[in-house]
Amino acid sequence: GAGVSQTPSNKVTEKGKYVELRCDPISGHTALYWYRQSLGQGPEFLIYFQGTGAADDSGLPNDRFFAVRPEGSVSTLKIQRTERGDSAVYLCASSPLPRGGGSTDTQYFGPGTRLTVL
Amino acid sequence: DQQVKQNSPSLSVQEGRISILNCDYTNSMFDYFLWYKKYPAEGPTFLISISSIKDKNEDGRFTVFLNKSAKHLSLHIVPSQPGDSAVYFCAASARQTGANNLFFGTGTRLTVIP
Repeated sequence: GAGVSQTPSNKVTEKGKYVELRCDPISGHTALYWYRQSLGQGPEFLIYFQGTGAADDSGLPNDRFFAVRPEGSVSTLKIQRTERGDSAVYLCASSPLPRGGGSTDTQYFGPGTRLTVL
Repeated sequence: DQQVKQNSPSLSVQEGRISILNCDYTNSMFDYFLWYKKYPAEGPTFLISISSIKDKNEDGRFTVFLNKSAKHLSLHIVPSQPGDSAVYFCAASARQTGANNLFFGTGTRLTVIP
């Protein structure tokens, strides 16, 4: 079956521009996560959706970052007024509906979008 | 503040021998641990996990050991194969708090020499 897909695979933009990154989760997965991976680091959590709502956005670095998931499937990560420090690989992951008690199902990752801000 | 640490950035092992990748964590609320494998230009691929109620989980050539008192876990791969060459990330979550996000280490690059 199809895995998590992300588009574009690469995005080059200029400082100050606006960008949108798209994630298509695995069909039927209700949980969706965004992570950011900088060079030489592990992925860092940004935001988690359960269905259409952002259940945890504590990882978003500042108010230039915003994400939506209007129909509970595809999600878009939006970055305003991009800065050179935003350059990283942005990873999306999805998982089935978590079981009760805060149980975490395995997260399946997409290939990522490499964002370069010049 | 790195809550999950992988102190060895790289490891080289001969084909057929055992590979041991180590991971330490600082947050005592972590109760679920995972290992992911990552090839260049691909996203991390889930490998194996372990709950804090266990101290060992095995899946084929891969075994994860958890030492809660030391806040340490390790991944054993035996026998190692050239196709295992990749970057391995340790990750942890605190399910008991209701959180679902993962905290990752910085990764260990494993090279299996034919």
